[in-house]
Amino acid sequence: EPEVTQTPSHQVTQMGQEVILRCVPISNHLYFYWYRQILGQKVEFLVSFYNNEISEKSEIFDDQFSVERPDGSNFTLKIRSTKLEDSAMYFCASNQGVIGTFGSGTRLTVV
Amino acid sequence: ELKVEQNPLFLSMQEGKNYTIYCNYSTTSDRLYWYRQDPGKSLESLFVLLSNGAVKQEGRLMASLDTKARLSTLHITAAVHDLSATYFCAVDMSADGLTFGKGTHLIIQP
Repeated sequence: EPEVTQTPSHQVTQMGQEVILRCVPISNHLYFYWYRQILGQKVEFLVSFYNNEISEKSEIFDDQFSVERPDGSNFTLKIRSTKLEDSAMYFCASNQGVIGTFGSGTRLTVV
Repeated sequence: ELKVEQNPLFLSMQEGKNYTIYCNYSTTSDRLYWYRQDPGKSLESLFVLLSNGAVKQEGRLMASLDTKARLSTLHITAAVHDLSATYFCAVDMSADGLTFGKGTHLIIQP
């Protein structure tokens, strides 16, 4: 069964550093998403991406965040200057139609 | 702003019992999803409900949707330990992102 692949599975970074989280969506999917989940809390929508541009973003997705699809297969989330409160699980998802598929997530720890 | 509320947020029950998790949402929506999440793991899609009165069943889980009441339920029949997990409902307003409830942490004890 096709999967959404995320790398790395866990990343530790120092406050103020830039991180790039990577995702390979399912190949024939056209809609891509990033969500985050702070430990023990609900899943929160960050951004959706379609046709090589952002289609919607939440209040969380401020200027320190950016997304891109650099090579037609990868979908990346960049956090420019990480803060302690960015520590969370970040999930990528993709869909084509009704049902989306989530990746296994990247656990980001900012120290 | 769309709000999605689940209750209960925490549920401890015995094997063999039945129980229902409720998901209320604040505005009209096209789609409602139920996901399961095991600790430290990703979200596993359980059900997608697309219309008023939709009912779907998979094993001991059954989900229903009442769009007029803006309510979905996830019913657990004769619970078994393997169903212990956190269950999230999520509502989709359009082709864009999902709005999740806070989740129901379910513990099923022998």
